[in-house]
Amino acid sequence: ETGVTQTPRHLVMGMTNKKSLKCEQHLGHNAMYWYKQSAKKPLELMFVYNFKEQTENNSVPSRFSPECPNSSHLFLHLHTLQPEDSALYLCASSQEARDTDNYGYTFGSGTRLTVV
Amino acid sequence: GESVGLHLPTLSVQEGDNSIINCAYSNSASDYFIWYKQESGKGPQFIIDIRSNMDKRQGQRVTVLLNKTVKHLSLQIAATQPGDSAVYFCAEITGGFKTIFGAGTRLFVKA
Repeated sequence: ETGVTQTPRHLVMGMTNKKSLKCEQHLGHNAMYWYKQSAKKPLELMFVYNFKEQTENNSVPSRFSPECPNSSHLFLHLHTLQPEDSALYLCASSQEARDTDNYGYTFGSGTRLTVV
Repeated sequence: GESVGLHLPTLSVQEGDNSIINCAYSNSASDYFIWYKQESGKGPQFIIDIRSNMDKRQGQRVTVLLNKTVKHLSLQIAATQPGDSAVYFCAEITGGFKTIFGAGTRLFVKA
């Protein structure tokens, strides 16, 4: 366990389904992220939350909807997805502060999503 | 534009040999770099970092080298072991917070 927990680990959903991915961190970090990881592509940043406020939406389609109720929890709500949305969805957290010595991310293990 | 890329998509090494994974970056203003390791079924994990005011940093069996002149970053793994088999990502951090990941290099360790 890295301190960032993602559930479920695997998810198969139809194109008309609605599902949610959950991420939880117990590291005291104040920033959380959603990344999409597809085969043979770099990690694609989707959303950034800093102190529960969304600070970045990287041109993500509206069928993906993030929610950050507090600094420890992050959700990604999924609705009317397409087969090309099948990927590994990674959550990460970090401590965003000018005086930190480490700008590294702590990643969860991801949710493997398959859209059928 | 900004980019972080890897010279080799796959690398195969014999167990016990040293591995070198390379990464190029384009933003000379980047001030912090990180190498991550991603094993099958897991998310990327922090391995080692280096700041732009350094040219070398050593960890346990890993060394990161930074050449700012040619904007090149490398990860050296000494005495590569089967457990080192994974995808390795470099990441470039600019302005303290903006992180750009490279595409990744898959390392295969042959027994």
